[in-house]
Amino acid sequence: GAGVSQTPSNKVTEKGKYVELRCDPISGHTALYWYRQSLGQGPEFLIYFQGTGAADDSGLPNDRFFAVRPEGSVSTLKIQRTERGDSAVYLCASSLISSSDNEQFFGPGTRLTVL
Amino acid sequence: SQQGEEDPQALSIQEGENATMNCSYKTSINNLQWYRQNSGRGLVHLILIRSNEREKHSGRLRVTLDTSKKSSSLLITASRAADTASYFCATDAMNRDDKIIFGKGTRLHILP
Repeated sequence: GAGVSQTPSNKVTEKGKYVELRCDPISGHTALYWYRQSLGQGPEFLIYFQGTGAADDSGLPNDRFFAVRPEGSVSTLKIQRTERGDSAVYLCASSLISSSDNEQFFGPGTRLTVL
Repeated sequence: SQQGEEDPQALSIQEGENATMNCSYKTSINNLQWYRQNSGRGLVHLILIRSNEREKHSGRLRVTLDTSKKSSSLLITASRAADTASYFCATDAMNRDDKIIFGKGTRLHILP
């Protein structure tokens, strides 16, 4: 079947604007993870969902960041009042269950540039 | 905060040679995974090794785990141009078994 998809692939916005990044996980995967990756760094955990609920949002940097997964499938990462420091590649991954011994399947990412 | 740390940060070798990357981590783990990333985009899972395993093979990949030293190594034998990528280790977050934490990665470049 189809893998994890993310839209848009690239997003350029101005400082102070609101953006939404979308993730379509693999069908049947109950766990969905969001990561942020800066140049030369590894993926940094932001939040993960088990089903519809956010099981761990400890990685969200501040209250400008919010994510939802209302029906337990598609997830949207929302960033308010964007800042230049938010520029990064935002990666989404899904796995069958939320366990550290489960393989995570990654989408291609959304490259966010805040001017 | 990051649990794993890869070494070296960057590695260039000739095609056909073996490439070895290391990962050190700080706290006890249940398992450790290696991922590959091409062109700064999505990661691909390579292999998982559990804390009670010492070595695991998958094709040209060989992974070792030394829990006493809190370290793992990834060996790619007979490297190919297509192996050029960044390689990340990922371990359980401290006292957690539902999420993983990535290191900063090793950037591997295979020279023709």
